[in-house]
Amino acid sequence: GENVEQHPSTLSVQEGDSAVIKCTYSDSASNYFPWYKQELGKRPQLIIDIRSNVGEKKDQRIAVTLNKTAKHFSLHITETQPEDSAVYFCAATRVTDSWGKLQFGAGTQVVVTP
Amino acid sequence: DTEVTQTPKHLVMGMTNKKSLKCEQHMGHRAMYWYKQKAKKPPELMFVYSYEKLSINESVPSRFSPECPNSSLLNLHLHALQPEDSALYLCASSQVVRQRGNTIYFGEGSWLTVV
Repeated sequence: GENVEQHPSTLSVQEGDSAVIKCTYSDSASNYFPWYKQELGKRPQLIIDIRSNVGEKKDQRIAVTLNKTAKHFSLHITETQPEDSAVYFCAATRVTDSWGKLQFGAGTQVVVTP
Repeated sequence: DTEVTQTPKHLVMGMTNKKSLKCEQHMGHRAMYWYKQKAKKPPELMFVYSYEKLSINESVPSRFSPECPNSSLLNLHLHALQPEDSALYLCASSQVVRQRGNTIYFGEGSWLTVV
């Protein structure tokens, strides 16, 4: 089955700096890679996703890159703000058969200090 | 409207109790899921329903019993739980089409404490 590794486990950044979280996956057939943000006591919320036919996707201050050959994908947050503080989970799945069977990474606790 | 609603938000139950968690979505999604999340850990898939039929059961103990009465509702019946079952239980839903990527929307979760 799919195995997703996520690094780092914690990330402290100064407000205004950039944050980068990296994930690797094992199943070369995985073709959908969402990122979820979970604030303390709240639900995981999708912030951005990327499909395997795309190498990069951007949404305002957030971007995701995918390297299929190396089987890794990364989340980039620019101009970080205190409200970016949360746990971020990457995930991977092969949607052609097992829809919704997301395999999550272990999570990254991001702390943005003013 | 990307809303999945769950009730109750908090539940405390004894090990001999029977209780149920409820989930509802009105996005026309035909796949619904139960995930379990322990503190500081990622969500773990428990069950997947597709078109109201159980598609995936991730070897979950029988003290957890899912039910999908219709395309909008998903229940999780709880009986004879153990203290280690205390966790956040997340319901989620998504489209079921063979497109490349089905966004999964999570509900707010039900915080379960077993005493």
